[in-house]
Amino acid sequence: AQKVTQAQTEISVVEKEDVTLDCVYETRDTTYYLFWYKQPPSGELVFLIRRNSFDEQNEISGRYSWNFQKSTSSFNFTITASQVVDSAVYFCALSEETSGSRLTFGEGTQLTVNP
Amino acid sequence: DGGITQSPKYLFRKEGQNVTLSCEQNLNHDAMYWYRQDPGQGLRLIYYSQIVNDFQKGDIAEGYSVSREKKESFPLTVTSAQKNPTAFYLCASSIQGVSGPKNIQYFGAGTRLSVL
Repeated sequence: AQKVTQAQTEISVVEKEDVTLDCVYETRDTTYYLFWYKQPPSGELVFLIRRNSFDEQNEISGRYSWNFQKSTSSFNFTITASQVVDSAVYFCALSEETSGSRLTFGEGTQLTVNP
Repeated sequence: DGGITQSPKYLFRKEGQNVTLSCEQNLNHDAMYWYRQDPGQGLRLIYYSQIVNDFQKGDIAEGYSVSREKKESFPLTVTSAQKNPTAFYLCASSIQGVSGPKNIQYFGAGTRLSVL
């Protein structure tokens, strides 16, 4: 069965520090997709990135970067030069080809960026 | 603007009462979903629908019911059988079709349900 683990429940950093959020997943499928979502205090989940299991290229988008490693079943998310506006709960999620469009979420990491 | 609208933002339920949470989308998405979020936990799937007049149970469907009479709407009823309904409820939608697993789910702003 599929599973997503975000071992870091809470992280607190000072503004401008770099921070990495960990995500480890389990799946038996060879075709699967990994996602990251951001949940600010307002509550709505905001989509950040999607990565498929055949594309292990790292991705950078502004201050955000993602490191996908199939060998360790990890899909980690790094925020460079963090800002107060980055404070939110971040979720990693997995969908498998055999499960259709169902998403399995990790428990989330609460990131607090202090000024 | 296209998006997903959930109402109400806050809802209170009395003992033995059924309450209905509204979810409407104008994204022309085929698939819609309901999730429950408890403090410090991830999202758990309650029900989902891939097409009008069809829906499937998720991981925690007991005590909930849904309908999908229109493509744009997917209301969730929290019945009196749900003994611990206090939670944050999120609705989502996605383009469906054969490419289901890769479809991005887009979320509404949520409804916070409390028991009086």
